[in-house]
Amino acid sequence: RKEVEQDPGPFNVPEGATVAFNCTYSNSASQSFFWYRQDCRKEPKLLMSVYSSGNEDGRFTAQLNRASQYISLLIRDSKLSDSATYLCVVNNNAGNMLTFGGGTRLMVKP
Amino acid sequence: EPEVTQTPSHQVTQMGQEVILRCVPISNHLYFYWYRQILGQKVEFLVSFYNNEISEKSEIFDDQFSVERPDGSNFTLKIRSTKLEDSAMYFCASNPQGGDTEAFFGQGTRLTVV
Repeated sequence: RKEVEQDPGPFNVPEGATVAFNCTYSNSASQSFFWYRQDCRKEPKLLMSVYSSGNEDGRFTAQLNRASQYISLLIRDSKLSDSATYLCVVNNNAGNMLTFGGGTRLMVKP
Repeated sequence: EPEVTQTPSHQVTQMGQEVILRCVPISNHLYFYWYRQILGQKVEFLVSFYNNEISEKSEIFDDQFSVERPDGSNFTLKIRSTKLEDSAMYFCASNPQGGDTEAFFGQGTRLTVV
């Protein structure tokens, strides 16, 4: 079983749509969780951390379910500029190692 | 805004040659990392470095690889005797204190082994 698993997509959505990405992780001892964004041939950039109580940052909402080992990202009112690959990332060892999912590709179309 | 810088942006090398990839982490950060991403594949952890020593390494990080922090600013990844399959984007990252704080990534060095 992959350590961090994501649906690779692509998700093709029109501008203004709401889209949700899911991620599962295998290590129940995982401590920290993140969503990163990666544009084509660029470095990953932090989109948001994911907290147990769920958290929101503008149009983006992240949820964590530790019992199910499941993380989600919801993007509301999609913009063209949201087109990118979204990486689910898990920190397994007190900051010493980030484990990346394979990413979910989002394409927002006019 | 402080950033992680990597040089060179692109390196082409012949199989069997040694390469050194260079990184300048953000100055007050304590944790440093190297990751790689083979084209079309996921980002993979190679090694983490804290307090002047390796703290974690993956199975990818074998004897072919080494890291150094030769002075107070640079953090290098050396690959001895490169193989074709070492061709990838190599990302350096730094983190102020580990845990759930953000890791900042450099723009990467694209290594092509021919």
